[in-house]
Amino acid sequence: RKEVEQDPGPFNVPEGATVAFNCTYSNSASQSFFWYRQDCRKEPKLLMSVYSSGNEDGRFTAQLNRASQYISLLIRDSKLSDSATYLCVVNQATGFQKLVFGTGTRLLVSP
Amino acid sequence: GAGVSQSPSNKVTEKGKDVELRCDPISGHTALYWYRQSLGQGLEFLIYFQGNSAPDKSGLPSDRFSAERTGGSVSTLTIQRTQQEDSAVYLCASSLLGKNEQFFGPGTRLTVL
Repeated sequence: RKEVEQDPGPFNVPEGATVAFNCTYSNSASQSFFWYRQDCRKEPKLLMSVYSSGNEDGRFTAQLNRASQYISLLIRDSKLSDSATYLCVVNQATGFQKLVFGTGTRLLVSP
Repeated sequence: GAGVSQSPSNKVTEKGKDVELRCDPISGHTALYWYRQSLGQGLEFLIYFQGNSAPDKSGLPSDRFSAERTGGSVSTLTIQRTQQEDSAVYLCASSLLGKNEQFFGPGTRLTVL
């Protein structure tokens, strides 16, 4: 079983749609959680951290369920520029970041 | 300010040759990480540096892989006797100690023929 599992997609949605991605992780000792965004042939960039209480950043909402070992990302009012691969990332270490990346979920937003 | 830079951006080599990949982290970032990303795969952790020391080398796939960091800044990842399965994008990231966000460089695309 992969340590971080995501649906690879692609998710094809029209502009303005709401789309949700899910991710599960296997290591219950994982310390912190993130969503990174990776554009085609580019490096990953941090989109947002994920907290147990849930957190929102503009059109993006992230949630964590530690009991179910489940992380989600919700994107409202999708824009063409949201087209990218979204990487679910889990930090398994303490003291430094040992990030474990999912393979990513590809989103394609069309006009 | 400058971000993380890596060189070369692309490297094509023949099986059995050695290659050296370079990473220049953001100035002042004490933590440095190497990852690799193969086609259709997630990023795979290779090694972590805190200053010049490497507390975690657990991700290095074999003894053909080694890395060093000097002056708490530049790092080099060396792959000896390259194999075709070493073909991947090698990404370097840096962060401030104790901070969550890792900043990635553009990567080096390695192709082993």
